[in-house]
Amino acid sequence: KNEVEQSPQNLTAQEGEFITINCSYSVGISALHWLQQHPGGGIVSLFMLSSGKKKHGRLIATINIQEKHSSLHITASHPRDSAVYICAVRYYSGGGADGLTFGKGTHLIIQP
Amino acid sequence: ETGVTQTPRHLVMGMTNKKSLKCEQHLGHNAMYWYKQSAKKPLELMFVYSLEERVENNSVPSRFSPECPNSSHLFLHLHTLQPEDSALYLCASSQDWDPDRDTQYFGPGTRLTVL
Repeated sequence: KNEVEQSPQNLTAQEGEFITINCSYSVGISALHWLQQHPGGGIVSLFMLSSGKKKHGRLIATINIQEKHSSLHITASHPRDSAVYICAVRYYSGGGADGLTFGKGTHLIIQP
Repeated sequence: ETGVTQTPRHLVMGMTNKKSLKCEQHLGHNAMYWYKQSAKKPLELMFVYSLEERVENNSVPSRFSPECPNSSHLFLHLHTLQPEDSALYLCASSQDWDPDRDTQYFGPGTRLTVL
């Protein structure tokens, strides 16, 4: 079964640091999603991308299709960025609706 | 506030109980989803409904029974659950059923504990 690998699993950093979270997948995909899950469970979709780079505020997401790898960057990190960040991909299925395959998430804590 | 609400937020039930989880979206979306999130495991897609018809069922045990009476409401009926079914159950919706194009909006989840 195709999986999604995220690293690191846990990350603790100081306020203001530049954060990078990585996501790797195994075969061709049609789209990759980055999600943010706050304590208590609520999930927010941050980015959906299939190539290149997207930026929203202090968040930047990049994807390298050849290397099957994506990164989520947070600039000038803040304690409110503390959350679990989840990578999800849609694998090419050759037909049918496979939906999204999710990584286990990266638990980020930003200390003041 | 994502426009997707779930009730109840917390539920404790015995293995012989019957209960239902409710999801409602106020976004005018056509697709709705049930996900299960167990501790230390990735999110698992359980069911997808598009225009009130089920389009995806990832081999979920029959003790979980979904119902989509209209495009704004989604239920998950639970009966004779097992302790290993304890998890966070998340509902989501998107404009249409197209993971390549459509952003999914998640509800806050229902934390289910089966005793």
